[in-house]
Amino acid sequence: DAGVTQSPTHLIKTRGQQVTLRCSPKSGHDTVSWYQQALGQGPQFIFQYYEEEERQRGNFPDRFSGHQFPNYSSELNVNALLLGDSALYLCASSFGDGELFFGEGSRLTVL
Amino acid sequence: GESVGLHLPTLSVQEGDNSIINCAYSNSASDYFIWYKQESGKGPQFIIDIRSNMDKRQGQRVTVLLNKTVKHLSLQIAATQPGDSAVYFCAENTGGFKTIFGAGTRLFVKA
Repeated sequence: DAGVTQSPTHLIKTRGQQVTLRCSPKSGHDTVSWYQQALGQGPQFIFQYYEEEERQRGNFPDRFSGHQFPNYSSELNVNALLLGDSALYLCASSFGDGELFFGEGSRLTVL
Repeated sequence: GESVGLHLPTLSVQEGDNSIINCAYSNSASDYFIWYKQESGKGPQFIIDIRSNMDKRQGQRVTVLLNKTVKHLSLQIAATQPGDSAVYFCAENTGGFKTIFGAGTRLFVKA
């Protein structure tokens, strides 16, 4: 049984560019949450998707957007990248509000 | 406000000793608390959780204690092993859809 998978694992972008990160949830899970983890800090909640809708959002600007597909996979899009967007982006899946299972993350570097 | 913080950024213990990692939270409305372990290059992994109607919960080699009076929780690891070396996060949930993480404590286990 595959766990949560994320792609790409690493990527480098320049300021002003746009990025799309992808997440496939653990089998049987219907909810996907996205977190941003800066170096040396704890993960910060970006938003959660359930039934293809954004259900709750953290304190992130609308440059951060997402999508959930009918197969429960999800994308995180970040527009107009800033240097401060450099971080590990974590996807976590769950069945409803159950235990979160995290992927290994996508490491984004903005130059 | 919403914040979960940790008293110590690093903890070093001898192999075989017990480890205690502490965490303070500020939201008295939080009703669910979780401890996660994050190894280098990986996403956070669930260790143990506790609901606000409990003050102690035990797992395999781990115990979580919750003191709602002082808004404090701790993670105790018995007979600490080299494989326990990681960053440990406490996290809280107020019944909504987002989990709020603290900054983390790095545990070093000396052989």
